[in-house]
Amino acid sequence: GDSVTQTEGPVTVSESESLIINCTYSATSIAYPNLFWYVRYPGEGLQLLLKVITAGQKGSSRGFEATYNKETTSFHLQKASVQESDSAVYYCALGDRVDNYAQGLTFGLGTRVSVFP
Amino acid sequence: GPKVLQIPSHQIIDMGQMVTLNCDPVSNHLYFYWYKQILGQQMEFLVNFYNGKVMEKSKLFKDQFSVERPDGSYFTLKIQPTALEDSAVYFCASSLLGGAPGQNTLYFGAGTRLSVL
Repeated sequence: GDSVTQTEGPVTVSESESLIINCTYSATSIAYPNLFWYVRYPGEGLQLLLKVITAGQKGSSRGFEATYNKETTSFHLQKASVQESDSAVYYCALGDRVDNYAQGLTFGLGTRVSVFP
Repeated sequence: GPKVLQIPSHQIIDMGQMVTLNCDPVSNHLYFYWYKQILGQQMEFLVNFYNGKVMEKSKLFKDQFSVERPDGSYFTLKIQPTALEDSAVYFCASSLLGGAPGQNTLYFGAGTRLSVL
């Protein structure tokens, strides 16, 4: 079946430093799945951070960016300068359905990021 | 942004009893989902529901599980009877659209932690 592997947390980083969370995927039923990054802030539900549905393209949101690399089957999340408010758990996910029914997403384990001032 | 509410945040129940987990999805959404996350493991898709019917379910969606959304009220997950292995965090999600790739952004609740004793 499909799988997503991401950087094992927790990751600790100082404010204004750069952050990268690695994500690699394996999709068995479709060559080019849709790729997503979700984020969960303390006490809240998962929120979509960004998504990319076309291989080779980059998605960006709130200073984060991720490039869909079909050669390396990767979708790493990066931010050049983090803030304390970026402390959260980040989930990489893929969706591989193209039919008329809503997608069941496959998630990674999540990476807890703590940003210190 | 749109909110999905899950009530309660934590539920403790004795093995063999019935439990109903409640989800208040985003008001104009049409597709509803449940995901399950066992401690230390990935969040996994259980089921999606549209127009009063289960559209897709995973192998985790046992016969003891059922979902419904009577008269546009809460979207519920019922487990009857519960087993020890049902202890997990259950996440509800909803989306406006269905299957076109990348179009159906899922909005998640904060989860209900179910502890089966």
